Amino acid sequence: EAGVTQFPSHSVIEKGQTVTLRCDPISGHDNLYWYRRVMGKEIKFLLHFVKESKQDESGMPNNRFLAERTGGTYSTLKVQPAELEDSGVYFCASSQGLGQPQHFGDGTRLSIL
Amino acid sequence: EDQVTQSPEALRLQEGESSSLNCSYTVSGLRGLFWYRQDPGKGPEFLFTLYSAGEEKEKERLKATLTKKESFLHITAPKPEDSATYLCAVQGLAGNTGKLIFGQGTTLQVKP
Repeated sequence: EAGVTQFPSHSVIEKGQTVTLRCDPISGHDNLYWYRRVMGKEIKFLLHFVKESKQDESGMPNNRFLAERTGGTYSTLKVQPAELEDSGVYFCASSQGLGQPQHFGDGTRLSIL
Repeated sequence: EDQVTQSPEALRLQEGESSSLNCSYTVSGLRGLFWYRQDPGKGPEFLFTLYSAGEEKEKERLKATLTKKESFLHITAPKPEDSATYLCAVQGLAGNTGKLIFGQGTTLQVKP
């Protein structure tokens, strides 16, 4: 069974540019999550999809971040325009349901210059 | 506010020297507590889920336990390959969300 895959693994962009991160969850997992870790801090929740619907987006930092999950399959997270404080590692995870283990991808390391 | 605190931040052990990692949590209704292992440059790898006080789970040299306020990850006779960062996370019952709240992790180094 393929795990959660994220693309790209690294991205370096300049402040003000746009970046789109992609996540392919484990097949059959209706629940998809985005998290991020900024330097020296713990992993923090961004949002939770159930199929194509946003179940909880309470962790999204501001309206420069837009997450979508077209058709309830893969998801994208767009940052536009990127700011210096957006640098960090963005993780995607998926699970079969609430209370079930979330399986993580290896993350996208985002650097804003 | 829901919160997770892990201790110690770092732990150095000799191969074969058993020890325990602590995860203290505050949550308004626990849906589940999760332990993960993370290697450098990789995503968290799932180890255990605990759902209620008194529950225990084991896998090879690792054993996780849960009380109403904390969880322990016991490592018995560790090997160098057990070196990693161990993360604890909780999921609450409120709001019907799958949000995980993570601690900062314990970085374990096992020397041969």
